[in-house]
Amino acid sequence: DVKVTQSSRYLVKRTGEKVFLECVQDMDHENMFWYRQDPGLGLRLIYFSYDVKMKEKGDIPEGYSVSREKKERFSLILESASTNQTSMYLCASRLERGAKNIQYFGAGTRLSVL
Amino acid sequence: KQEVTQIPAALSVPEGENLVLNCSFTDSAIYNLQWFRQDPGKGLTSLLLIQSSQREQTSGRLNASLDKSSGRSTLYIAASQPGDSATYLCAVLNSGGGADGLTFGKGTHLIIQP
Repeated sequence: DVKVTQSSRYLVKRTGEKVFLECVQDMDHENMFWYRQDPGLGLRLIYFSYDVKMKEKGDIPEGYSVSREKKERFSLILESASTNQTSMYLCASRLERGAKNIQYFGAGTRLSVL
Repeated sequence: KQEVTQIPAALSVPEGENLVLNCSFTDSAIYNLQWFRQDPGKGLTSLLLIQSSQREQTSGRLNASLDKSSGRSTLYIAASQPGDSATYLCAVLNSGGGADGLTFGKGTHLIIQP
């Protein structure tokens, strides 16, 4: 079974802090994704990566950056956390772009910015 | 821009009933459609993936159909059980340009009454 592991289930940070959310997948998937999920807004794509050292902006990249130095690891960085970044963050991976390929999700990180 | 709508937003039915969840999307240029389940405070679990060339997929008591030309999908749950209580999300992978993540509906919150 594919396993997507997010390093923290819950995080509490202060406004202005630099925050790192880590995600690791164990199935040699090429593509990885970061979404955030908010009540009434659903899931929205922040950033994605096709392969190592590659990154592409999603629908809501403002205030975020990402890093993919190794194939299995995709990090989401909040350069200066703000209260409107309080949310549930979900990481996902997929073998590659294609009609047959399932996107697998981690358990999520609930981030509170105070 | 692709938009995905799920109806109803919430549904409560007695145990043992068969039920149908609906999903519609505005742009028929898709690679696939995925149905997910999300338990409270948790990540997403993939239930079924239907490729754009397919009409339906089945897994146990679940059956998902796809009518790409009309932009509709249904998830049929047979003989519902209390353990089926969760939020069900549908998502499409667009085959056109733009960001490469899934576009999600806002989900149907399902409660199965014992």
